[in-house]
Amino acid sequence: DTAVSQTPKYLVTQMGNDKSIKCEQNLGHDTMYWYKQDSKKFLKIMFSYNNKELIINETVPNRFSPKSPDKAHLNLHINSLELGDSAVYFCASSQRGGGNNLNEQFFGPGTRLTVL
Amino acid sequence: LAKTTQPISMDSYEGQEVNITCSHNNIATNDYITWYQQFPSQGPRFIIQGYKTKVTNEVASLFIPADRKSSTLSLPRVSLSDTAVYYCLVGDTYSGGGADGLTFGKGTHLIIQP
Repeated sequence: DTAVSQTPKYLVTQMGNDKSIKCEQNLGHDTMYWYKQDSKKFLKIMFSYNNKELIINETVPNRFSPKSPDKAHLNLHINSLELGDSAVYFCASSQRGGGNNLNEQFFGPGTRLTVL
Repeated sequence: LAKTTQPISMDSYEGQEVNITCSHNNIATNDYITWYQQFPSQGPRFIIQGYKTKVTNEVASLFIPADRKSSTLSLPRVSLSDTAVYYCLVGDTYSGGGADGLTFGKGTHLIIQP
């Protein structure tokens, strides 16, 4: 069973379009994240949600809007896509203070977004 | 902000022990040190975490000196499949503590040759 899944795996679209990426985790974690990894492989946190509540928003344009309908899902909607949005977007989840490894994050396979 | 510094890349050979050092001079009292591994086209994967001294698991060891201003990830007897990017993270392990513990940076690209 896939622990953290993302759809779609690849997304190619035109500038100005609106698109969404979905993320689901079946680990029972209470915290979920979105990361962006650009062409230079720099992996940067965008958002973090704990129990459906936004707790981290790292200088991300308003065009990016995360939505957490429940603890197991964190979707990312992007409006008016720009060329610079092309990147791989990773979803992750963790359990705050839980387990042997504190806040160990489990990552999804990534969504490669290409804006033309 | 707990900033980390790692070598951009390293090369080694199969069967060797590889040590990757991460500098974190302004580590805070509550901060833990966590290492992740990322293969091409995959998300990062947790390797090991520690607070002080030495931590060992089935994959790696983590050495942390008393001043905690640096840490060294040790991979014993590497193989070709250990070729990956390795990230050192330092921060409060609770995400509510902010993004410090979630700053992956560019990592160290480890290349293992036959």
